[in-house]
Amino acid sequence: DTGVSQNPRHKITKRGQNVTFRCDPISEHNRLYWYRQTLGQGPEFLTYFQNEAQLEKSRLLSDRFSAERPKGSFSTLEIQRTEQGDSAMYLCASSLGQFSPQHFGDGTRLSIL
Amino acid sequence: DQQVKQNSPSLSVQEGRISILNCDYTNSMFDYFLWYKKYPAEGPTFLISISSIKDKNEDGRFTVFLNKSAKHLSLHIVPSQPGDSAVYFCAASAGVSGGGADGLTFGKGTHLIIQP
Repeated sequence: DTGVSQNPRHKITKRGQNVTFRCDPISEHNRLYWYRQTLGQGPEFLTYFQNEAQLEKSRLLSDRFSAERPKGSFSTLEIQRTEQGDSAMYLCASSLGQFSPQHFGDGTRLSIL
Repeated sequence: DQQVKQNSPSLSVQEGRISILNCDYTNSMFDYFLWYKKYPAEGPTFLISISSIKDKNEDGRFTVFLNKSAKHLSLHIVPSQPGDSAVYFCAASAGVSGGGADGLTFGKGTHLIIQP
């Protein structure tokens, strides 16, 4: 059973640079979610896709953040002009649908120098 | 304003005894609740869930209880084992009743330590 896969596991970049993360969900799951987690907090919801449609965005998702799921399979999360406050663990999850739990990947840890 | 609260940052339990982790919520629209377990450097792992039409759900050593009137849920682990030492997150969703699948709202977690 292949779980949710996220790449890269770690990303270190300078402030002001753009970064892109990739998430490959469990193959039969049509729903995909992005979360952000900082130290001492639980994951915070960013955005959600059903197939290729982005159906919900959190107020945490500023204009510098964009997510895509072009063919309803893998997804990318891009952060433009990174800031110190963007340092966090970015988690991806997928699920089959309603009444179905979300299954998480191991995340991408972003560090902004 | 935290909608899901886990008021105990840590809990220490002796191996073989019962571990009880608690969670309170404020949003009355939440209708689907989940517990996740997290080890360092890994993503959260799903443990057990419960919908608001039930007050109890059991899976092996794990049981979740939901008290809707008190807006409270708890996770019972019996018997506790050393491998249960981890951070446990309570999460809730308002999506089911709304016809969609909202993102989950998480508590801050409780660090469970099982002592030999």
